[in-house]
Parts: sequence; structure tokens; C-alpha cells
Amino acid sequence: DVKVTQSSRYLVKRTGEKVFLECVQDMDHENMFWYRQDPGLGLRLIYFSYDVKMKEKGDIPEGYSVSREKKERFSLILESASTNQTSMYLCAWGLGPADTQYFGPGTRLTVL
Amino acid sequence: RKEVEQDPGPFNVPEGATVAFNCTYSNSASQSFFWYRQDCRKEPKLLMSVYSSGNEDGRFTAQLNRASQYISLLIRDSKLSDSATYLCVVTPDSGTYKYIFGTGTRLKVLA
Repeated sequence: DVKVTQSSRYLVKRTGEKVFLECVQDMDHENMFWYRQDPGLGLRLIYFSYDVKMKEKGDIPEGYSVSREKKERFSLILESASTNQTSMYLCAWGLGPADTQYFGPGTRLTVL
Repeated sequence: RKEVEQDPGPFNVPEGATVAFNCTYSNSASQSFFWYRQDCRKEPKLLMSVYSSGNEDGRFTAQLNRASQYISLLIRDSKLSDSATYLCVVTPDSGTYKYIFGTGTRLKVLA
């Protein structure tokens, strides 16, 4: 089974800090995704990447950037954290278009 | 209208009961359909894919109704461990990496 790990389960940061969320998969899959999940809004796609150095904006990219320097690692960056970015962040990998996606354990980020 | 809609519940059912959830989608060209299960404060996990011909896995049956644009999940002989939130997921076309998630239906199975 492919394993997806995320750098932290819980994270507390202050407004204005730069925040890095790391996601690592242990296989050679191209497609990786970052979502956030909020009560009543469900999961929303922030960014995805289909290869090294390739990235595409999702539905809510504002305030976020991503980095994919190696195939196994996909990082989400909050350039200047704000309180409205308090959320559960989920990384996922997928085999191909319209195919199943598998999620990491998530990082619950609180911005004070 | 939301692209994917689910009744948020909670559905409170006794152990052993049969329970069914529906999920409606607005895009008639939608290609792939999935049910995920999410436990409290955990990540979503794939429960089953939904095929045009229907799909059964043990106590779980998923069906697709393209004419009425909904998918369903039936759980027979409910167990306490089935208590979770069930997420409906739809992909809008065959070439997309984009998933559209419902906000989930919460199920509580009571002893």
C-alpha cells in the first residue's frame, strides 16, 4: 500500500508567519493534491501537481503556494498565515484523471 | 444549486438496521463516482467506487442513477463501527483531476 505522510498532525502558528506543510508519498506517483476541509464546506482543492515542478490551481489557491521539487514530496506554503486559514489540511495522491484519490492523515492548523 | 448535495443527517439508527443515503449531482456529464468514509478528526478513506451497474461489497451496496442524477449507498445490518460521516464524491469529466465533494452525511449507529 502507498503511504502518505504529513509533517505534523497538529500545528499552531501566529498571524503573519510563513507556514510549510509537507506531504510525502512513498511510491512514484505523479499526481498529488492539497485540500482544506472546513465544517459545512466540505473538502476544497487548493492546488494539485501532476509531475515534478508542475502545478495547477484548484478552487481556492489564494493565499497559498506549492512546491514540488521531487516526485515524492509536495509542499503547501502559506506565505503569511491568517486566521481564516485555520483548517484541516489534507494531502492526497491519485493514479490518474477521474481516478481514486487516497488521503494522508491531515494536519490540523490553527492560526492565532 | 450545489454541484453535489447530501443530507447532512445525522441518521440515528439501531444496530442491525438498514440505512440508505442519497447524493445528488448537478452535472449530467459527471464521469466517476465514489463513496468515502470519514471518522471524526481523521482523513477520508475510500469505501467504494460506484459503477453504472452498481457495486456491492459485503454489507454495502452503491448504485448510480444517471437519469435522476444521484448515487446511493445502502448499509445492511448496521454495526456500531459504521458510525462515521459518508462523503459522496463526483468527478465532472473523464479528463479531470478535480474531485467535487459533498459535505457528508453523518451516521450514528446506536446500541
